[in-house]
Amino acid sequence: NAGVMQNPRHLVRRRGQEARLRCSPMKGHSHVYWYRQLPEEGLKFMVYLQKENIIDESGMPKERFSAEFPKEGPSILRIQQVVRGDSAAYFCASLPGANTGELFFGEGSRLTVL
Amino acid sequence: QKEVEQDPGPLSVPEGAIVSLNCTYSNSAFQYFMWYRQYSRKGPELLMYTYSSGNKEDGRFTAQVDKSSKYISLFIRDSQPSDSATYLCAMSDTGGFKTIFGAGTRLFVKA
Repeated sequence: NAGVMQNPRHLVRRRGQEARLRCSPMKGHSHVYWYRQLPEEGLKFMVYLQKENIIDESGMPKERFSAEFPKEGPSILRIQQVVRGDSAAYFCASLPGANTGELFFGEGSRLTVL
Repeated sequence: QKEVEQDPGPLSVPEGAIVSLNCTYSNSAFQYFMWYRQYSRKGPELLMYTYSSGNKEDGRFTAQVDKSSKYISLFIRDSQPSDSATYLCAMSDTGGFKTIFGAGTRLFVKA
């Protein structure tokens, strides 16, 4: 039973380029969260999605960031026109849908913007 | 004021010591309280999970929740070098799925 799969694990982009981060939740899980973690800081909520729906995107910057979780395929976090401040680890987490808040995390995608 | 406050440490203890990690929070709606452990350059993994107030024990780990004081704790008995990691407290409210994390406390257990 595979866990939450994230790719790429490491991504290097130059300022102004686009970054796409992918997340496949655990089998049977229909809810996906994206969190951002800066060095020496905790996890900051970005967005919560169910299949084909954005439930809560209150933690996501209004510009340049978008997320989707299509009916088929992985969830994608997209960052357009990246800036150096976007350099961080981005973690995806899934849960089966029960109202417990118990999250299962992937290994993260580490974005470096040059 | 942050919703969840956690001392980032670092906390350094000798092997075998009892470790106490704590968080305070401001949102009285939180009902689910978790502790996650995160090793360097890895994803967080759920360590302990508690609903509402009370204690929960799992091996060398004990989680305590005091909702009246808005204070949660994680105790680690007989700490081991393999316990060296960052410990993140987390909480969510009833009916909501959004989990809020503390900043994490870095723990070093010296052999």
